Amino acid sequence: QKEVEQNSGPLSVPEGAIASLNCTYSDRGSQSFFWYRQYSGKSPELIMFIYSNGDKEDGRFTAQLNKASQYVSLLIRDSQPSDSATYLCAVDYYKLSFGAGTTVTVRA
Amino acid sequence: DVKVTQSSRYLVKRTGEKVFLECVQDMDHENMFWYRQDPGLGLRLIYFSYDVKMKEKGDIPEGYSVSREKKERFSLILESASTNQTSMYLCASTRPGLEGGVQYFGAGTRLSVL
Repeated sequence: QKEVEQNSGPLSVPEGAIASLNCTYSDRGSQSFFWYRQYSGKSPELIMFIYSNGDKEDGRFTAQLNKASQYVSLLIRDSQPSDSATYLCAVDYYKLSFGAGTTVTVRA
Repeated sequence: DVKVTQSSRYLVKRTGEKVFLECVQDMDHENMFWYRQDPGLGLRLIYFSYDVKMKEKGDIPEGYSVSREKKERFSLILESASTNQTSMYLCASTRPGLEGGVQYFGAGTRLSVL
């Protein structure tokens, strides 16, 4: 079973700040990396995916991948109360392995 | 919009009962998955199917079986429910290939086994 570790949280950030979420994975052969957001009582929804080393930006979200270090991160800029949720890191392309999630609370 | 529909939001069953959880997707996706989600453990894969009548065990298949007779429908079966199967169950579907990580989830079924 592939291991995916996320910073345990919970993470509390003030509105407007940057929230930084980290994820490491055990399988060096992993090719695809995904960030899902899950609101309390809801099912996960995809925020971003990244396949190549470097940064990928989508609005206020930036995913960063470093395959040599087996590390993927998600930055949420200008955090809003609506960003309060659990963020799940997932690895690989069809049989995903999920981390346990990091709960983020954005305080107004 | 992709729609993945799970038949029940909440279920309460007795120990030893046979339990069926149904999932239907409307996007003609080849791959379908069953996960369970428990606090602190994240999503764990129970079974997945990449085609009709095809199935593959996930990380925690013990105590579960699945059925996929039609492309749009994937059923999870608890042969004899036990209290340690109390959990949130999530169904997902996706296309194969690199897009396979782009999974679409149903709303979930919260199962309580008493």
